[in-house]
Amino acid sequence: DAGVTQSPTHLIKTRGQHVTLRCSPISGHKSVSWYQQVLGQGPQFIFQYYEKEERGRGNFPDRFSARQFPNYSSELNVNALLLGDSALYLCASSDARSLTYNEQFFGPGTRLTVL
Amino acid sequence: AQKVTQAQTEISVVEKEDVTLDCVYETRDTTYYLFWYKQPPSGELVFLIRRNSFDEQNEISGRYSWNFQKSTSSFNFTITASQVVDSAVYFCALSEARVTGNQFYFGTGTSLTVIP
Repeated sequence: DAGVTQSPTHLIKTRGQHVTLRCSPISGHKSVSWYQQVLGQGPQFIFQYYEKEERGRGNFPDRFSARQFPNYSSELNVNALLLGDSALYLCASSDARSLTYNEQFFGPGTRLTVL
Repeated sequence: AQKVTQAQTEISVVEKEDVTLDCVYETRDTTYYLFWYKQPPSGELVFLIRRNSFDEQNEISGRYSWNFQKSTSSFNFTITASQVVDSAVYFCALSEARVTGNQFYFGTGTSLTVIP
């Protein structure tokens, strides 16, 4: 079975531009989460989507937005890019079937460089 | 508020030595999950171990073992007989129990270098 996939693998943008990152969860998984990992830091939670609705949001500015599609894939959009947005963006999916714990599986990430 | 602290920024050991990575966490939840992940230079997070808050039994899995103590809010991870391939950044993470999917809180990571 295919794991979580993310595209593109690498991306270079300039300040002020817009970027869209994509994530395809494991088949059957309905929950997708996005994390930002700045160099030298641990991943920071950005968004969580479940059944196409936002269920959690981290402490990120409104320039960051996301959505989940009927096939449960997801996009993360970042507007007006800043140098500080340069990071590895990780997507994680979960089947969200259990009332308590649901394993999260991480994708390989998209490395965004803002010049 | 949830918080994970990894006080060790970098550790270097000689191959075959044992190494323990420290993790201290904060949470108000009574049910939570603790993890250790490995992140090699390629960037992908590799799951190592998971422990839930109501099971403090410490176990050994191959060269990995962990020491979970709720009384001190610590979840330490030990690699026995370290190998060069163990060189990576190791993250401790805390997850709450949520039916819609579990949000992770990560520590800042410990960079482990195993010297041949």
